[in-house]
Amino acid sequence: QVQLQQWGAGLLKPSETLSLTCAVYGGSFSGYFWSWIRQPPGKGLEWIGEINHSGSTNYNPSLKSRVTISVDTSKNQVSLKLSSVTAADTAVYYCARFYTPMDVWGKGTTVTVSS
Amino acid sequence: QSVLTQPPSASGTPGQRVTISCSGSSSNIGSNYVYWYQQLPGTAPKLLIYSNNQRPSGVPDRFSGSKSGTSASLAISGLRSEDEADYYCAAWDDSLSGWVFGGGTKLTVL
Repeated sequence: QVQLQQWGAGLLKPSETLSLTCAVYGGSFSGYFWSWIRQPPGKGLEWIGEINHSGSTNYNPSLKSRVTISVDTSKNQVSLKLSSVTAADTAVYYCARFYTPMDVWGKGTTVTVSS
Repeated sequence: QSVLTQPPSASGTPGQRVTISCSGSSSNIGSNYVYWYQQLPGTAPKLLIYSNNQRPSGVPDRFSGSKSGTSASLAISGLRSEDEADYYCAAWDDSLSGWVFGGGTKLTVL
C-alpha cells in the first residue's frame, strides 16, 4: 500500500519561497509521474506540476516561472519550490499520483502567506 | 476561470440519479481521457472514474462516467447521503501541456 508523507513550512511572508517535500513509502516510485496540486480556501483544485523518477517535468504554464519540482530517487522523494509567494498562494498543497487506477494522495499541507 | 466547466452545484434526493457535466475543448476532453474525483469535506480528493468510464477497485458501480466529443458526465445512481461531496473532472490539455481541472460541483443530498 503506497503512502505519501509530506511536510514543509506552513507560514510564509510575501516574497518568500514555499518549500514542500513528499516522501513515497511502500510501493513503486519509478514508472509514475508524481504531481503537486493545490486548493485555495473554499476553491477548486489547481494542478501545479509533475515529475517522474528520471526528472522529466511538466508545469502549469500559469505558475511555470515560479515553480521548481525536483526528485531524489535515493530517498523516493519529490519536492516543490514556489518562489515569490503572495497571499494568492495560500492554499492546501497536495502531492499525489492522481491519474492512475490506484490513486494516492498526501494528507495535504496548509500553507498560509501573510505579512 | 477553470479550463473545464462544471455546474457549481447539483442536488438530488436519496435513491435518485444525478448527473454532473464537464465541458471542455478539443485540446483536452476532445482528445484525452477524463477523470472524476470525489472530495469529502476536509479530506484529499479520491479518484472515482479514470479513462472516461473505468472505476477503480472499490468504487461502487453506482458511479459511472461517459464522454462524448468535448464533454463528459458523471452519473450517480441510487443517491445516498454519503455521496454529499464536491466532485471534480480533470483531463490532460495538449495545448497547455498540463493537467486541467473543472471548477468543481457541490452535490447536496436533500
